[in-house]
Amino acid sequence: EAGVTQFPSHSVIEKGQTVTLRCDPISGHDNLYWYRRVMGKEIKFLLHFVKESKQDESGMPNNRFLAERTGGTYSTLKVQPAELEDSGVYFCASSQDLTDSNEKLFFGSGTQLSVL
Amino acid sequence: DAKTTQPPSMDCAEGRAANLPCNHSTISGNEYVYWYRQIHSQGPQYIIHGLKNNETNEMASLIITEDRKSSTLILPHATLRDTAVYYCIVRVAGGYQKVTFGTGTKLQVIP
Repeated sequence: EAGVTQFPSHSVIEKGQTVTLRCDPISGHDNLYWYRRVMGKEIKFLLHFVKESKQDESGMPNNRFLAERTGGTYSTLKVQPAELEDSGVYFCASSQDLTDSNEKLFFGSGTQLSVL
Repeated sequence: DAKTTQPPSMDCAEGRAANLPCNHSTISGNEYVYWYRQIHSQGPQYIIHGLKNNETNEMASLIITEDRKSSTLILPHATLRDTAVYYCIVRVAGGYQKVTFGTGTKLQVIP
């Protein structure tokens, strides 16, 4: 079974440009999460999809970030325009069920974003 | 999520058991204790979780005190590949509540 996949693995862009990150969750997983780790800081929650709906977007830094999950499958996270402080590693995670006591998150390998 | 407290770093000799403590004195009755780890720059990896009984899987054992205010993750025979940051998280099971990472414990396994 394929795990959570993220694309691209690395992205280097200039300040002011637009970047779109993609996450493919494990097939059948309703929950999809985005996280970010800025260098030297903790892993921070960005938002949570349940299928195609945004369950919690309290961690989104500002309106330059737009996440979508059309059709409840893969998700994209767009940063427009990118700023220097957006640099970091963006992780995606998925989990299967909202109510299962054995629910656990599976993480992708992340996208390393560098804004120059 | 209830707040957890972990030591910032620990060392363990290769082949020995690594015992990572976590305090969660404000844990609620329906909150589970979860452990994840992040090896270098990889994505976090689930290790184990439990409610009140001790748990064991192929990766580790989780010992939860009777009052549930603290727990210990045990890696029975640490290897160099276990060098990572280990996160203790308490949360209600199920996908409605996000996983909130703290600062974790940096475990260094020494040859």
